[in-house]
Amino acid sequence: IAGITQAPTSQILAAGRRMTLRCTQDMRHNAMYWYRQDLGLGLRLIHYSNTAGTTGKGEVPDGYSVSRANTDDFPLTLASAVPSQTSVYFCASSDSTQNPTDTQYFGPGTRLTVL
Amino acid sequence: GQNIDQPTEMTATEGAIVQINCTYQTSGFNGLFWYQQHAGEAPTFLSYNVLDGLEEKGRFSSFLSRSKGYSYLLLKELQMKDSASYLCAVMDSNYQLIWGAGTKLIIKP
Repeated sequence: IAGITQAPTSQILAAGRRMTLRCTQDMRHNAMYWYRQDLGLGLRLIHYSNTAGTTGKGEVPDGYSVSRANTDDFPLTLASAVPSQTSVYFCASSDSTQNPTDTQYFGPGTRLTVL
Repeated sequence: GQNIDQPTEMTATEGAIVQINCTYQTSGFNGLFWYQQHAGEAPTFLSYNVLDGLEEKGRFSSFLSRSKGYSYLLLKELQMKDSASYLCAVMDSNYQLIWGAGTKLIIKP
């Protein structure tokens, strides 16, 4: 089934630990995104990638890093987790970042709790 | 700064009509999107408006006025399955989506 998968579904993490959230899409989309969603706030863009081999910073990039070694995968890494990174993380993809009519499709999300 | 405003919560009755408003102030405008998000699930695309006017898609319609920085999502013949959060988002001049906090719609029988 075509779409976006994320792993893990949920995770409880001790502060200071390193964590990588995985995201894979099989739609051959060029663009991929990482958002965080917190209660009472809109989705906020962390990092994005226009195409394999390129990445860019979004609205809230501090404490996060990404890589885009190929078209399908876009992992998000928290180098040293802090409690303020407790959130639901969504990965999304679209055919491009420059065409507004290219809909963003979202993965099921990862619920991360940092203690 | 960039800002998207929408009501936090609305309640409506099954079979009725509800209008969810969204006002925005962004640096540039490349279209306005509405997404639906059921609790614990991913957002899913509902509609896209870039020109002024009404776009109708089945029971759902979306309206845009660029001069007023205003949009609404109209849901007709409400069903219990329409209970969800509705997210308004604007694509700015950098082609990034700026999201509202969402409107939680509660449908009562």
